[in-house]
Amino acid sequence: AQTVTQSQPEMSVQEAETVTLSCTYDTSENNYYLFWYKQPPSRQMILVIRQEAYKQQNATENRFSVNFQKAAKSFSLKISDSQLGDTAMYFCAFMKHLYAGGTSYGKLTFGQGTILTVHP
Amino acid sequence: KAGVTQTPRYLIKTRGQQVTLSCSPISGHRSVSWYQQTPGQGLQFLFEYFSETQRNKGNFPGRFSGRQFSNSRSEMNVSTLELGDSALYLCASSLEGRVETQYFGPGTRLLVL
Repeated sequence: AQTVTQSQPEMSVQEAETVTLSCTYDTSENNYYLFWYKQPPSRQMILVIRQEAYKQQNATENRFSVNFQKAAKSFSLKISDSQLGDTAMYFCAFMKHLYAGGTSYGKLTFGQGTILTVHP
Repeated sequence: KAGVTQTPRYLIKTRGQQVTLSCSPISGHRSVSWYQQTPGQGLQFLFEYFSETQRNKGNFPGRFSGRQFSNSRSEMNVSTLELGDSALYLCASSLEGRVETQYFGPGTRLLVL
């Protein structure tokens, strides 16, 4: 079974600064996806960034980027130029791709989450 | 395009009762997954439905069940509620073949007294 570990229960950062959230995972699979999801206090879960394991290049989405170390099974999220709206719970998640009936499916395995607070 | 909708948003039940939660996916999405979120256990996968068939199931007791209708709307049912079933239940939908992009609904907050 896959496990995802986020070792930082809480983090804080000043507005406009950079912060890095850590995530490690354990799997014997070779093909999988990794994600960072954001859950603001309003509770709607939003996908921040996605990384496909077979791609060596780290994914980036505007101010968000990841450091994907496949051999070390590490997947950290860097938020640059932090904004007040970045305040949220951040979840690291893993998905193994499954195939059946000619289509793909999978389930997300989440870490315990990191509460990020951005201070003005 | 409307997002994933879940009804009701809040629910209070007593132990022993049963409850049914509803999820309407984004138009065109045929895959619906359910997750339970609690402070102690975090986010856990319940099950996933595609084309009215359950394709994947998490490690939950048989009291948790679900179904999907021909219009892709999904319901989950919890029978004989226990205090530990108090949680935020999240539903997510995705396009066929694009399971790596799941869109979450706002959730249903269930409180069992």
